[in-house]
Amino acid sequence: ETGVTQSPTHLIKTRGQQVTLRCSSQSGHNTVSWYQQALGQGPQFIFQYYREEENGRGNFPPRFSGLQFPNYSSELNVNALELDDSALYLCASSLAPSNQPQHFGDGTRLSIL
Amino acid sequence: RKEVEQDPGPFNVPEGATVAFNCTYSNSASQSFFWYRQDCRKEPKLLMSVYSSGNEDGRFTAQLNRASQYISLLIRDSKLSDSATYLCVVGGSGAGSYQLTFGKGTKLSVIP
Repeated sequence: ETGVTQSPTHLIKTRGQQVTLRCSSQSGHNTVSWYQQALGQGPQFIFQYYREEENGRGNFPPRFSGLQFPNYSSELNVNALELDDSALYLCASSLAPSNQPQHFGDGTRLSIL
Repeated sequence: RKEVEQDPGPFNVPEGATVAFNCTYSNSASQSFFWYRQDCRKEPKLLMSVYSSGNEDGRFTAQLNRASQYISLLIRDSKLSDSATYLCVVGGSGAGSYQLTFGKGTKLSVIP
């Protein structure tokens, strides 16, 4: 069974740039959720993708967007990067958008200079 | 009031000690409950789901009280390898989807 994989592991960008983070879900999982974890905080829900559509969104501005592909992998795109976007970005997959536990990838650590 | 609140840490305990973490949640419609463990600069890993009947996995026991909106985790006979941040997590419908809401976490250091 292949777990959740994310790329890249680390990324450094400057303010105003755009970034794309990638996630491959665990085999058999069709739902992908993205979280932002700032230092010393718990992960915060960004959005979830199911059946290639956004299936709910947390309190994040529209410059955070995403995609899900037919193989259930997903991308998180962030435009007009701000210093506060520096965080660990976590992708989690689950069997369904329901009460199933979510399994996380290693995350992408994004630093904005 | 924060949606999921946990004991402020850190907890520093000797090997072999028993340690208890507490957590409260604000949304009475929450549907699922978990404890995740997160090592420094790593991803959260599911430790156990939490059920109203209580559940045990080796040295770990989790309890849920829906009436009080309270979740607990008990670790017996602490090992050095238990040192990590423990995240209380509540799942439910919000923002148009099922989503997980995390507490800030409680850091545990088990000391030799």
